[in-house]
Amino acid sequence: SAVISQKPSRDICQRGTSLTIQCQVDSQVTMMFWYRQQPGQSLTLIATANQGSEATYESGFVIDKFPISRPNLTFSTLTVSNMSPEDSSIYLCSVSRDEGSYEQYFGPGTRLTVT
Amino acid sequence: RKEVEQDPGPFNVPEGATVAFNCTYSNSASQSFFWYRQDCRKEPKLLMSVYSSGNEDGRFTAQLNRASQYISLLIRDSKLSDSATYLCVVLGDSGTYKYIFGTGTRLKVLA
Repeated sequence: SAVISQKPSRDICQRGTSLTIQCQVDSQVTMMFWYRQQPGQSLTLIATANQGSEATYESGFVIDKFPISRPNLTFSTLTVSNMSPEDSSIYLCSVSRDEGSYEQYFGPGTRLTVT
Repeated sequence: RKEVEQDPGPFNVPEGATVAFNCTYSNSASQSFFWYRQDCRKEPKLLMSVYSSGNEDGRFTAQLNRASQYISLLIRDSKLSDSATYLCVVLGDSGTYKYIFGTGTRLKVLA
């Protein structure tokens, strides 16, 4: 597995503002993903962060709301834009090595509260 | 029908008991399956991958039944530390890394 860190670990933000979450991995990985876990629910994939190209978004998630960057093989950011209370959630990044196992390892998450 | 369904529980069992969770999935083309464990306010941690008919790791056994489209997780000799939410994960379309999570089953092991 890989050692994954996320910053910030938690934040309280006002509606209408934006927050950028960072995900750092201790070694190069092929695949990086961003998930959302709303209160009392399971995880939902937001997008796949592609190195050197635009992220691939899942149905219901758009780039204008959740812009993602992935400048290299160890780092990615997710921005939650123009936040509303409905964006209050835990945001997690995950990584996978392209070794055919499809196993993913998750960062500790960022707990976001929008007031 | 949800893509991945689990009994939410909670399952309250005494220490030393054997407990089993089931998970059903709707996409018959799914090839890879996983069980994750999630402790309260923590990230999911990979417990087991299930690639063929099943596999075993110590007290944990995962089985896959492709004909009936379900995966099970058996925990023997339950420990207090096994208390957590167990997430069933199905890999989406073949060749993709898209994880589809079940809602999770809560387990509480009682002293």
